[in-house]
Amino acid sequence: GQQVMQIPQYQHVQEGEDFTTYCNSSTTLSNIQWYKQRPGGHPVFLIQLVKSGEVKKQKRLTFQFGEAKKNSSLHITATQTTDVGTYFCAGYSSASKIIFGSGTRLSIRP
Amino acid sequence: DTGVSQNPRHKITKRGQNVTFRCDPISEHNRLYWYRQTLGQGPEFLTYFQNEAQLEKSRLLSDRFSAERPKGSFSTLEIQRTEQGDSAMYLCASSFGTSGNTIYFGEGSWLTVV
Repeated sequence: GQQVMQIPQYQHVQEGEDFTTYCNSSTTLSNIQWYKQRPGGHPVFLIQLVKSGEVKKQKRLTFQFGEAKKNSSLHITATQTTDVGTYFCAGYSSASKIIFGSGTRLSIRP
Repeated sequence: DTGVSQNPRHKITKRGQNVTFRCDPISEHNRLYWYRQTLGQGPEFLTYFQNEAQLEKSRLLSDRFSAERPKGSFSTLEIQRTEQGDSAMYLCASSFGTSGNTIYFGEGSWLTVV
């Protein structure tokens, strides 16, 4: 079945450093979504990418969707303590259900 | 509050007992999803409804699990004869329209089977 993989599993950075998480799907995706989950919380939608090669920015966050629509990345510039949490990518398969990656947990040294 | 509502938020039960979780989606949302999440893992798809029709069930959903959405509004997820491996957070989410739309998660129902 379809799999969505994320790396790294964990990332511990100094506040102010950059952070990147990568997402790869075993199949072509119709779109990809990114979610953030704070410790003890539930996933919260961040953004959706639909077009091949699409790049979107939200303040310090940059999201990319690969040309083949099988991979994606999230880059955070100059991390802040409020960025702490687990970042999940999630892809829609043709079966109309969303498959989540295993997530990248970001922790930050103040 | 117009978000997705789940209850109970926490449930501790003895092995072998039945438990039921309820989800109230955002009112105009026609799609409702159930996911399960364990520590350190991403949400795992269990099942989803479009209106009252259950359109897909994961192979993770054993015969002990059943979900309903009788009137196309709220949904229930029942686990019969609970096992310790059922301990997890059960997340409900809803969306409007067709594939590709944003799904909104509830705060989850934590299940601990002792």
